[in-house]
Amino acid sequence: GNSVTQMEGPVTLSEEAFLTINCTYTATGYPSLFWYVQYPGEGLQLLLKATKADDKGSNKGFEATYRKETTSFHLEKGSVQVSDSAVYFCALGANNAGNMLTFGGGTRLMVKP
Amino acid sequence: KAGVTQTPRYLIKTRGQQVTLSCSPISGHRSVSWYQQTPGQGLQFLFEYFSETQRNKGNFPGRFSGRQFSNSRSEMNVSTLELGDSALYLCASSPQTGSSYEQYFGPGTRLTVT
Repeated sequence: GNSVTQMEGPVTLSEEAFLTINCTYTATGYPSLFWYVQYPGEGLQLLLKATKADDKGSNKGFEATYRKETTSFHLEKGSVQVSDSAVYFCALGANNAGNMLTFGGGTRLMVKP
Repeated sequence: KAGVTQTPRYLIKTRGQQVTLSCSPISGHRSVSWYQQTPGQGLQFLFEYFSETQRNKGNFPGRFSGRQFSNSRSEMNVSTLELGDSALYLCASSPQTGSSYEQYFGPGTRLTVT
């Protein structure tokens, strides 16, 4: 079946540090890939997505590239802020599965001033 | 546009009872999906409804059911509640169904079973 593996957190960084959160997936065919963010007490917000190999999704300074050859979709940001502290989820949407998303376990990011 | 709304936001129930949660999607969205979020199991897909039809179902027992109305609002029902059903239940809406469509999540309903 489909699965998503994320690096375990928490990840603790100082403000303005470089962020990488690793995400790898297992799926048949060509799934769509997503990063969602969850702030305390809230639902999930879509951060970025990529729907085919070599696509780069980007939003609010965050980027991720769909790498078919390494089945990866790592999240990066060049300079994190305290306001980026949240839990980040990598997810895949498989073909012929409607809107069903398979999520990774989530990675908590803590950014210190 | 108003976002996805879920009611109630918090709920406390006793084992053996049943519960109904409600989700109102973004106007014009026809797909509603439900997820269960727990610290142990993470985010797990429950089911998706599109145009009043169940499109997909996750690996949950039959105690979990749902439906969608003609105005796209959706409800999920859990019967014979167990302690393990305590979770944050999230719904998400999308204009269409398909792996590339963006989904918009509501704030969730926090269910506590005692």
